[in-house]
Amino acid sequence: SSVLTQPPSVSVTPGETARITCGGDEIGSDSVHWYQQKPGQAPLLVIHYGTDRPPGIPERISASNSGNTATLTISRVEAADEADYFCQVWHSPSAHYVFGTGTKVTVL
Amino acid sequence: EVQLVESGGALEQPGRSLRLSCIASGFTFADFAMHWVRQVPGKGLEWVSSVDWNSGSSAYADSVKGRFSISRDNAKNSLFLQMNSLRSEDTAFYFCAKDSGSLLATSLDSWGQGTLVTVSS
Repeated sequence: SSVLTQPPSVSVTPGETARITCGGDEIGSDSVHWYQQKPGQAPLLVIHYGTDRPPGIPERISASNSGNTATLTISRVEAADEADYFCQVWHSPSAHYVFGTGTKVTVL
Repeated sequence: EVQLVESGGALEQPGRSLRLSCIASGFTFADFAMHWVRQVPGKGLEWVSSVDWNSGSSAYADSVKGRFSISRDNAKNSLFLQMNSLRSEDTAFYFCAKDSGSLLATSLDSWGQGTLVTVSS
């Protein structure tokens, strides 16, 4: 996928589930990585290789990928989950890394 | 603990050059691919350039190809980005990031805090 489209914003109530989509042509065949970025901070890898959580990332954060949509799911949302989230793939034909447009998650 | 510290960001005029540096610690630098990613304040992430573990392979975004050059010095745990023919659209925070593997095409598992490049006359 050379273009990854994410919804600009998602709002969620504490304790509920947030789902952030990342749309791209046949993204289901790609290895998708997800990053969380809080204001004034560097991005943090939260999911890599589609579904794997790096050390220290809570089990509440999970991901799936099929067809033309990858999804990051945050269960039992907390105030600390409020951040921007970006998906990312490696686009083999162009040998480029591609980031999604980003989604701002707001905890109401 | 992985640490990546960028430096070299500055206010520079269009057409001029800058060289960014990233000093790495807390891991075996020579074993991992490295990246530069930039971000205009308040906007999204844009991949800039990457180099594999031994500088055998590198890649550039179309927006910087031919103007920017990535390099690394494994003996000094250092990553560099030579930025020539600067344009106003190059204005952004530039992040140094570590790959999770030695080759390109994987994830960026650690990031520095960034250095600000401003291109303006």
